[in-house]
Amino acid sequence: GAVVSQHPSWVICKSGTSVKIECRSLDFQATTMFWYRQFPKQSLMLMATSNEGSKATYEQGVEKDKFLINHASLTLSTLTVTSAHPEDSSFYICSARDLESYGYTFGSGTRLTVV
Amino acid sequence: GQQVMQIPQYQHVQEGEDFTTYCNSSTTLSNIQWYKQRPGGHPVFLIQLVKSGEVKKQKRLTFQFGEAKKNSSLHITATQTTDVGTYFCAGYTGNQFYFGTGTSLTVIP
Repeated sequence: GAVVSQHPSWVICKSGTSVKIECRSLDFQATTMFWYRQFPKQSLMLMATSNEGSKATYEQGVEKDKFLINHASLTLSTLTVTSAHPEDSSFYICSARDLESYGYTFGSGTRLTVV
Repeated sequence: GQQVMQIPQYQHVQEGEDFTTYCNSSTTLSNIQWYKQRPGGHPVFLIQLVKSGEVKKQKRLTFQFGEAKKNSSLHITATQTTDVGTYFCAGYTGNQFYFGTGTSLTVIP
């Protein structure tokens, strides 16, 4: 089945710094990837849809200048949290559509802690 | 706006008891998917339901899609400790998936 690799698994950074999270589709091409954010014991909230070769589509309320998304190839999408603040601490997870099962295959997630 | 609610939010059951989580959408869905997320893990796709009134089974898990395609349920028969986790539904409106609020299942040995 489709595998999505996400790195890093966890990161601790200082307030004001930027953090880049990578999401790779390992055995398939993903023209579209999705980035979610999950607070403890809460549901997944879609942040943005990443489209290969074009600008990402952001959900209402998500600051595109703060959460930079780049989808430069059919197998890689990156999310950069710029000038991170403690309130950005969360679990970030990417996913891509598995065309065989039609389910979303999720990366393993990145736990970001901003101190 | 679009909302997908799940009940209950939490459920504690004794091992061997049955468990059901319900998913309700404010609008009609094109299809619905179910995911399981173990504590500390990421969501894992379980199944997709497309047709009105569809019922699918995976061993002890039974998934149902309502006739109006606005609700769905997941039923686990004779729970085991390996069933522990949060179960999410995700409803597709034709534009995107909206994840439900999730039901956290605890199984007491």
